[in-house]
Amino acid sequence: EADIYQTPRYLVIGTGKKITLECSQTMGHDKMYWYQQDPGMELHLIHYSYGVNSTEKGDLSSESTVSRIRTEHFPLTLESARPSHTSQYLCASSDPGQGTNTIYFGEGSWLTVV
Amino acid sequence: GQQLNQSPQSMFIQEGEDVSMNCTSSSIFNTWLWYKQDPGEGPVLLIALYKAGELTSNGRLTAQFGITRKDSFLNISASIPSDVGIYFCAGQRAGNQFYFGTGTSLTVIP
Repeated sequence: EADIYQTPRYLVIGTGKKITLECSQTMGHDKMYWYQQDPGMELHLIHYSYGVNSTEKGDLSSESTVSRIRTEHFPLTLESARPSHTSQYLCASSDPGQGTNTIYFGEGSWLTVV
Repeated sequence: GQQLNQSPQSMFIQEGEDVSMNCTSSSIFNTWLWYKQDPGEGPVLLIALYKAGELTSNGRLTAQFGITRKDSFLNISASIPSDVGIYFCAGQRAGNQFYFGTGTSLTVIP
């Protein structure tokens, strides 16, 4: 079972509010990711990190930002939420094993912006 | 980013039937992964495959890493109502990010 945790699981906030989605993993993985997924749709990579102080933008343009100050922690922040940000956000981390790379997901954070 | 071609897109089957789904790509992958996602939840890893030709089982689930390294298959035997959900594949090339299939929605009719 994957030891990767996301909070909050569900959140409803007003337009213009700042929100941080938390993600922590206890597996010692260097690589971490944030994906955005609308219901029944495919995953879109919005940010990833290869380790402490490393952050990169993914394939899908996003107004969010991320930081990686500690290996186990990869928070995602929206400075000013808009209704178009309503979606499920999935945090993930991957196993750096030689030839056995596997990606594990958190339970997701459902964000609704009203 | 690149998407893997996953089929079928959806399946409606009777309880007890077997299920097959597959993912294909034009690129060679070193890793194939299969996940199940329930509504409102994150994807849960079912089976991981790391070698061409590898056949791995997890209970009633069996997955294979295609010999060409460009495809993978997932089979579910004797389906039950709790198998309902979205199944999707993921692949990874050496040192690169993961690519995901578009998902197969499975409905099991009791």
